[in-house]
Amino acid sequence: QKEVEQNSGPLSVPEGAIASLNCTYSDRVSQSFFWYRQYSGKSPELIMSIYSNGDKEDGRFTAQLNKASQYVSLLIRDSQPSDSATYLCAVNHGNKLVFGAGTILRVKS
Amino acid sequence: ETGVTQTPRHLVMGMTNKKSLKCEQHLGHNAMYWYKQSAKKPLELMFVYNFKEQTENNSVPSRFSPECPNSSHLFLHLHTLQPEDSALYLCASSQAGGDTGELFFGEGSRLTVL
Repeated sequence: QKEVEQNSGPLSVPEGAIASLNCTYSDRVSQSFFWYRQYSGKSPELIMSIYSNGDKEDGRFTAQLNKASQYVSLLIRDSQPSDSATYLCAVNHGNKLVFGAGTILRVKS
Repeated sequence: ETGVTQTPRHLVMGMTNKKSLKCEQHLGHNAMYWYKQSAKKPLELMFVYNFKEQTENNSVPSRFSPECPNSSHLFLHLHTLQPEDSALYLCASSQAGGDTGELFFGEGSRLTVL
C-alpha cells in the first residue's frame, strides 16, 4: 500500500471554476499535512499546511483535513490558468516527510 | 544569492564517471536534504543532515555519497551510476527541529546517465 496516494490526473477545469485535489494517507498517527505546487521544470514550493481537522483558508486556497478518514484535500477557488501545475500532497510519517506522486491540474481559459 | 541554489542544473555522465552535485542555502537553516524525483513517481527522500550530522539515509546505494561540510552546503558525490539513476535531484533545507514539512527546495540538478 502506498503511503500517500493521489490521483495522477490530469484534472482539467475551466477558468473560474473550483478545482478539488484529493489525497489519502496510510499512517494514522500523522499529524502534519502539506500541499506543494510544482510548475513544469521548476521545484516544489509549499503553498498550504494543515494540522487540525477541518478547513484552513488562505486566499483562494482551502485545505481540508479529516484524520478519521485519513483524507486531506485542497480546493482552489476561481481557478486561473496560472494555477496549472502539479500539486504534491505531503504527510509527516514520524520524522520523515512522505510525498504523493502528485496531481496534474490544467486550468483552461 | 537567496534561497537554495543547486549546481550544475544539468549533468550528463557515463556510468564510469565521477561527478558531484552542489547545494548551497542562504536561509540560515540547519537541516538539509537530498531528494530524487523520477517521472510519475513520488519524491524519494535520500539523505537528511541536521547541524552537519547525517540523521537519515533512506537505504540509498553506496554509489551516492553525501557530504555536508557545514550547515549551508551539501554535496552529493556520484560514481559508477546506472541509467536508472537518471532523474531530477532536489536539494532542500528547513529549520532544524522545526516542522519538517516546511521545506525550501532548490531548482534541482537534472542528471542523465548514459
